Amino acid sequence: AIRMTQSPSSFSASTGDRVTITCRASQGINSHLAWYQQEPGKAPKPLIYGASNLQSGVPSRFSGSGSGSEYTLTITSVQSEDFATYYCQQYYTYPMYTFGQGTKLEIK
Amino acid sequence: QVQLVESGGGVVQPGGSLRLSCDASGFIFSNFGMHWVRQAPGKGLEWVAFIRFDGYNIHYADSVKGRFIISRDNSKDTLFLQMNSLRPEDTAVYYCAKDSQQAMDYWGQGTLLTVSS
Repeated sequence: AIRMTQSPSSFSASTGDRVTITCRASQGINSHLAWYQQEPGKAPKPLIYGASNLQSGVPSRFSGSGSGSEYTLTITSVQSEDFATYYCQQYYTYPMYTFGQGTKLEIK
Repeated sequence: QVQLVESGGGVVQPGGSLRLSCDASGFIFSNFGMHWVRQAPGKGLEWVAFIRFDGYNIHYADSVKGRFIISRDNSKDTLFLQMNSLRPEDTAVYYCAKDSQQAMDYWGQGTLLTVSS
């Protein structure tokens, strides 16, 4: 099974900061990677698919990149509504998906 | 608009059984694969099971294989998860999610299962 490891597990940022979250797969996944945002008590919201494609309605301050086994999610100017937990998910082994452990973004 | 509404959660004793349902609307249910994903209290997301649009090509996580059964009724736009031999570690919010072959593009609000004596 492919293991997904996110870093950091949590960190603090201020509104307006540029934030980057890393997701590493235990093997190459050929950009078969999605990112989700989850606010407390809510269902995950899809942000990105195919490593770099924004889902409809997602603000352009979110972007994804990467290849092989290493991927990043970047928020260019963090807004108050962005403080949440972010998960990466591989679908290389479709339809058996695996998630990263999550990265909690908190207000500094 | 796409809506997924889970139901059936509750408190069950270890070893017990429960069936979750997910009512879908706003899209052609019979055209899409569906997933169950769970989240234990304070923990991350865990993929549980998948069923193809036609009810075939079913897959399970190792943690639930042999105990859980995913099924669907395309005539009623409903997804099910039959959970047997429940364990305390199955305690979680269970989400149903629509598959897009590139992600899970719509999620329900979740239903809470608590396994406790």
